[in-house]
Amino acid sequence: QKEVEQNSGPLSVPEGAIASLNCTYSDRGSQSFFWYRQYSGKSPELIMSIYSNGDKEDGRFTAQLNKASQYVSLLIRDSQPSDSATYLCAAAPNTDKLIFGTGTRLQVFP
Amino acid sequence: ETGVTQTPRHLVMGMTNKKSLKCEQHLGHNAMYWYKQSAKKPLELMFVYNFKEQTENNSVPSRFSPECPNSSHLFLHLHTLQPEDSALYLCASSPSGGRDGYTFGSGTRLTVV
Repeated sequence: QKEVEQNSGPLSVPEGAIASLNCTYSDRGSQSFFWYRQYSGKSPELIMSIYSNGDKEDGRFTAQLNKASQYVSLLIRDSQPSDSATYLCAAAPNTDKLIFGTGTRLQVFP
Repeated sequence: ETGVTQTPRHLVMGMTNKKSLKCEQHLGHNAMYWYKQSAKKPLELMFVYNFKEQTENNSVPSRFSPECPNSSHLFLHLHTLQPEDSALYLCASSPSGGRDGYTFGSGTRLTVV
């Protein structure tokens, strides 16, 4: 069973802090990894993709991938209340679909 | 607008009704997907289409019937649904599979009464 595991949260951080979201995956054949943000009642929105070991930065977001440990993370710097949402981690094994985690709910309080 | 358009945005239907959800993508993608998301639950994959051919049916009840007439359009035909089928139904597309990530539509909020 190919799985992607996330802590459901909620993860509560104060405004301005760094939020750290974590994800593990079971299929070592996975090549591509994605983070989606989903606001309540809305559809998921792609915010980061990562394909190689190491860090990838885009604005306030940094994705980190460690294939040896089968671990993906998302750091959000200078967290804002507008970042409050559910963050979905997804992995792509060598198939035609993504495997999604159950999501981590992030709450940023003023 | 994400490039994947779903209609209608909201739908209320009785258990004896027949309705259809429509998804259209303008991105030139070759793979399209239907997902179900119930309240406070994770995404559930329903169907996968690649180049108009169905490549996965994730044990979905026959009261849900997909149709993919071409690579740009995907339908989900609904009949004799149950109240527990009430959920957000999401369409997604990707260039050629999961490796490229998905673009999601805005979803159809379905309520079965």
